[in-house]
Amino acid sequence: NAGVTQTPKFRVLKTGQSMTLLCAQDMNHEYMYWYRQDPGMGLRLIHYSVGEGTTAKGEVPDGYNVSRLKKQNFLLGLESAAPSQTSVYFCASGQGANLATGELFFGEGSRLTVL
Amino acid sequence: SQQGEEDPQALSIQEGENATMNCSYKTSINNLQWYRQNSGRGLVHLILIRSNEREKHSGRLRVTLDTSKKSSSLLITASRAADTASYFCATDTGRRALTFGSGTRLQVQP
Repeated sequence: NAGVTQTPKFRVLKTGQSMTLLCAQDMNHEYMYWYRQDPGMGLRLIHYSVGEGTTAKGEVPDGYNVSRLKKQNFLLGLESAAPSQTSVYFCASGQGANLATGELFFGEGSRLTVL
Repeated sequence: SQQGEEDPQALSIQEGENATMNCSYKTSINNLQWYRQNSGRGLVHLILIRSNEREKHSGRLRVTLDTSKKSSSLLITASRAADTASYFCATDTGRRALTFGSGTRLQVQP
Protein backbone atom coordinates (compact mmCIF):
# COMPACT_ATOMS: atom_id res chain seq x y z
CA ASN A 1 0.00 0.00 0.00
CA ALA A 2 1.20 3.49 -0.86
CA GLY A 3 -0.78 5.12 1.98
CA VAL A 4 -1.01 8.87 1.41
CA THR A 5 0.74 10.27 -1.63
CA GLN A 6 1.27 13.97 -2.30
CA THR A 7 2.30 15.53 -5.58
CA PRO A 8 4.33 17.52 -6.32
CA LYS A 9 6.95 17.25 -3.56
CA PHE A 10 8.57 20.58 -4.41
CA ARG A 11 7.35 23.63 -6.30
CA VAL A 12 8.52 27.19 -6.77
CA LEU A 13 5.95 29.76 -7.83
CA LYS A 14 5.98 33.43 -8.60
CA THR A 15 3.57 35.74 -6.80
CA GLY A 16 0.18 35.63 -8.49
CA GLN A 17 0.60 32.22 -10.11
CA SER A 18 -1.84 29.42 -9.42
CA MET A 19 -1.25 25.77 -8.68
CA THR A 20 -2.90 22.64 -7.34
CA LEU A 21 -1.55 20.13 -4.85
CA LEU A 22 -2.89 16.62 -5.18
CA CYS A 23 -3.36 14.18 -2.34
CA ALA A 24 -4.30 10.58 -2.94
CA GLN A 25 -4.99 7.86 -0.36
CA ASP A 26 -5.57 4.18 -0.94
CA MET A 27 -6.95 3.25 2.49
CA ASN A 28 -10.61 4.03 1.76
CA HIS A 29 -10.61 6.70 4.46
CA GLU A 30 -13.56 9.04 4.81
CA TYR A 31 -11.71 11.97 6.35
CA MET A 32 -9.00 13.94 4.57
CA TYR A 33 -7.11 17.05 5.64
CA TRP A 34 -4.72 19.71 4.44
CA TYR A 35 -2.35 21.25 6.97
CA ARG A 36 0.48 23.71 6.57
CA GLN A 37 3.61 23.65 8.69
CA ASP A 38 5.69 26.73 9.32
CA PRO A 39 8.83 26.92 11.50
CA GLY A 40 8.00 26.96 15.19
CA MET A 41 4.25 26.91 14.61
CA GLY A 42 3.35 23.26 14.38
CA LEU A 43 0.63 22.29 11.93
CA ARG A 44 -2.33 24.50 11.13
CA LEU A 45 -5.47 23.16 9.50
CA ILE A 46 -6.38 24.73 6.15
CA HIS A 47 -9.39 22.72 4.96
CA TYR A 48 -10.76 19.28 5.53
CA SER A 49 -13.33 16.84 4.20
CA VAL A 50 -15.43 14.26 6.01
CA GLY A 51 -16.51 12.45 2.87
CA GLU A 52 -16.70 12.54 -0.90
CA GLY A 53 -18.24 15.78 -2.11
CA THR A 54 -17.82 17.57 1.24
CA THR A 55 -15.36 20.24 2.33
CA ALA A 56 -15.04 22.48 5.36
CA LYS A 57 -12.84 25.36 6.44
CA GLY A 58 -10.13 24.95 9.00
CA GLU A 59 -8.12 27.47 10.97
CA VAL A 60 -6.35 29.21 8.05
CA PRO A 61 -8.51 28.78 4.90
CA ASP A 62 -8.00 32.18 3.25
CA GLY A 63 -6.27 32.04 -0.13
CA TYR A 64 -6.93 28.32 -0.59
CA ASN A 65 -9.67 26.24 -2.16
CA VAL A 66 -10.24 22.50 -2.04
CA SER A 67 -12.24 19.83 -3.79
CA ARG A 68 -13.09 16.20 -2.98
CA LEU A 69 -14.73 14.87 -6.15
CA LYS A 70 -13.49 11.34 -5.52
CA LYS A 71 -13.19 9.67 -2.14
CA GLN A 72 -9.53 8.88 -2.61
CA ASN A 73 -8.43 12.36 -3.75
CA PHE A 74 -8.30 15.72 -2.02
CA LEU A 75 -7.04 18.70 -4.01
CA LEU A 76 -5.68 21.94 -2.57
CA GLY A 77 -5.64 24.95 -4.87
CA LEU A 78 -3.92 28.29 -4.66
CA GLU A 79 -5.59 30.70 -7.06
CA SER A 80 -3.11 33.58 -6.69
CA ALA A 81 -0.05 32.60 -4.71
CA ALA A 82 1.46 34.99 -2.17
CA PRO A 83 4.83 34.87 -0.39
CA SER A 84 2.95 34.25 2.88
CA GLN A 85 1.91 30.88 1.44
CA THR A 86 5.50 29.67 1.38
CA SER A 87 5.28 26.61 3.58
CA VAL A 88 5.34 22.85 3.77
CA TYR A 89 1.92 21.39 3.09
CA PHE A 90 0.82 18.07 4.53
CA CYS A 91 -2.12 15.97 3.55
CA ALA A 92 -3.56 13.47 6.00
CA SER A 93 -6.36 10.95 6.01
CA GLY A 94 -8.24 9.07 8.68
CA GLN A 95 -11.15 6.73 9.15
CA GLY A 96 -12.93 8.70 11.85
CA ALA A 97 -15.10 6.74 14.25
CA ASN A 98 -18.23 7.71 16.11
CA LEU A 99 -17.61 11.38 15.33
CA ALA A 100 -14.20 11.16 16.96
CA THR A 101 -10.99 11.69 15.05
CA GLY A 102 -8.77 8.66 15.26
CA GLU A 103 -5.29 8.08 14.00
CA LEU A 104 -4.27 10.18 11.00
CA PHE A 105 -1.96 9.01 8.25
CA PHE A 106 0.23 11.69 6.71
CA GLY A 107 1.88 12.17 3.37
CA GLU A 108 5.52 13.15 3.08
CA GLY A 109 4.76 16.81 2.46
CA SER A 110 4.91 19.29 -0.41
CA ARG A 111 7.38 22.12 -0.05
CA LEU A 112 6.11 25.29 -1.75
CA THR A 113 8.12 28.45 -2.21
CA VAL A 114 6.45 31.61 -3.49
CA LEU A 115 8.83 34.27 -4.76
CA SER B 1 -3.91 30.34 19.20
CA GLN B 2 -2.77 26.75 19.53
CA GLN B 3 -5.00 24.31 21.39
CA GLY B 4 -1.99 22.26 22.43
CA GLU B 5 1.33 23.61 23.60
CA GLU B 6 4.32 21.38 24.18
CA ASP B 7 6.98 21.92 26.75
CA PRO B 8 9.93 22.04 26.46
CA GLN B 9 10.38 23.37 22.94
CA ALA B 10 13.70 21.53 22.69
CA LEU B 11 15.30 18.73 24.67
CA SER B 12 18.76 17.21 24.42
CA ILE B 13 19.63 14.01 26.28
CA GLN B 14 22.12 11.15 26.16
CA GLU B 15 21.30 7.72 24.81
CA GLY B 16 19.81 5.53 27.51
CA GLU B 17 18.22 8.42 29.39
CA ASN B 18 14.49 8.97 29.60
CA ALA B 19 12.83 11.83 27.74
CA THR B 20 9.70 13.52 29.03
CA MET B 21 7.70 16.07 27.12
CA ASN B 22 4.50 17.75 28.17
CA CYS B 23 1.42 19.05 26.42
CA SER B 24 -1.17 21.46 27.73
CA TYR B 25 -4.47 22.20 26.05
CA LYS B 26 -7.35 24.59 26.55
CA THR B 27 -10.72 22.96 25.86
CA SER B 28 -12.31 19.59 26.61
CA ILE B 29 -11.25 16.71 24.38
CA ASN B 30 -12.43 13.38 23.01
CA ASN B 31 -8.89 12.10 22.82
CA LEU B 32 -5.29 13.25 22.68
CA GLN B 33 -2.70 11.84 20.31
CA TRP B 34 1.06 12.00 20.00
CA TYR B 35 2.89 12.07 16.69
CA ARG B 36 6.51 11.91 15.70
CA GLN B 37 8.15 13.71 12.77
CA ASN B 38 11.61 12.92 11.52
CA SER B 39 13.39 15.77 9.78
CA GLY B 40 11.93 16.42 6.33
CA ARG B 41 9.28 13.70 6.66
CA GLY B 42 5.59 13.41 7.39
CA LEU B 43 4.11 12.83 10.82
CA VAL B 44 3.69 9.33 12.16
CA HIS B 45 1.12 8.40 14.78
CA LEU B 46 2.53 7.07 18.04
CA ILE B 47 -0.29 6.67 20.51
CA LEU B 48 -3.85 7.77 21.26
CA ILE B 49 -5.30 8.21 24.73
CA ARG B 50 -9.03 8.73 25.25
CA SER B 51 -10.46 11.28 27.65
CA ASN B 52 -11.57 8.56 30.08
CA GLU B 53 -8.11 6.99 30.24
CA ARG B 54 -5.33 8.14 32.56
CA GLU B 55 -2.33 6.19 31.31
CA LYS B 56 -1.36 4.18 28.29
CA HIS B 57 1.74 2.24 27.29
CA SER B 58 3.16 1.22 23.94
CA GLY B 59 6.62 -0.33 23.94
CA ARG B 60 9.00 2.30 25.34
CA LEU B 61 6.31 4.96 25.30
CA ARG B 62 4.17 5.95 28.25
CA VAL B 63 1.47 8.57 27.94
CA THR B 64 -0.49 10.09 30.79
CA LEU B 65 -3.54 12.30 30.64
CA ASP B 66 -4.89 14.57 33.36
CA THR B 67 -8.14 16.07 32.14
CA SER B 68 -8.57 18.13 35.32
CA LYS B 69 -5.31 19.93 34.54
CA LYS B 70 -5.80 19.71 30.77
CA SER B 71 -2.37 18.24 30.32
CA SER B 72 -0.62 15.16 28.98
CA SER B 73 2.90 13.86 29.09
CA LEU B 74 4.87 11.55 26.81
CA LEU B 75 7.70 9.55 28.33
CA ILE B 76 10.21 7.77 26.14
CA THR B 77 12.28 5.35 28.19
CA ALA B 78 15.83 4.21 27.42
CA SER B 79 16.10 6.63 24.51
CA ARG B 80 18.09 5.81 21.38
CA ALA B 81 19.74 8.04 18.79
CA ALA B 82 16.99 6.94 16.39
CA ASP B 83 14.42 8.65 18.66
CA THR B 84 15.79 12.02 17.53
CA ALA B 85 12.78 13.78 16.01
CA SER B 86 10.07 16.34 16.72
CA TYR B 87 7.12 15.21 18.79
CA PHE B 88 3.68 16.76 18.57
CA CYS B 89 0.58 16.40 20.65
CA ALA B 90 -2.76 16.70 18.88
CA THR B 91 -6.19 17.11 20.41
CA ASP B 92 -9.57 15.99 19.14
CA THR B 93 -12.17 18.43 20.44
CA GLY B 94 -15.08 16.87 18.54
CA ARG B 95 -14.74 19.04 15.46
CA ARG B 96 -13.63 16.11 13.27
CA ALA B 97 -10.11 17.46 12.93
CA LEU B 98 -7.03 17.40 15.10
CA THR B 99 -5.39 20.53 16.46
CA PHE B 100 -1.63 20.24 16.75
CA GLY B 101 0.77 21.89 19.14
CA SER B 102 4.05 23.48 18.12
CA GLY B 103 6.12 20.44 19.03
CA THR B 104 9.14 19.41 21.07
CA ARG B 105 12.43 18.85 19.26
CA LEU B 106 14.23 15.91 20.84
CA GLN B 107 17.92 15.33 20.24
CA VAL B 108 19.37 12.07 21.56
CA GLN B 109 23.16 12.13 21.67
CA PRO B 110 24.89 8.79 20.98
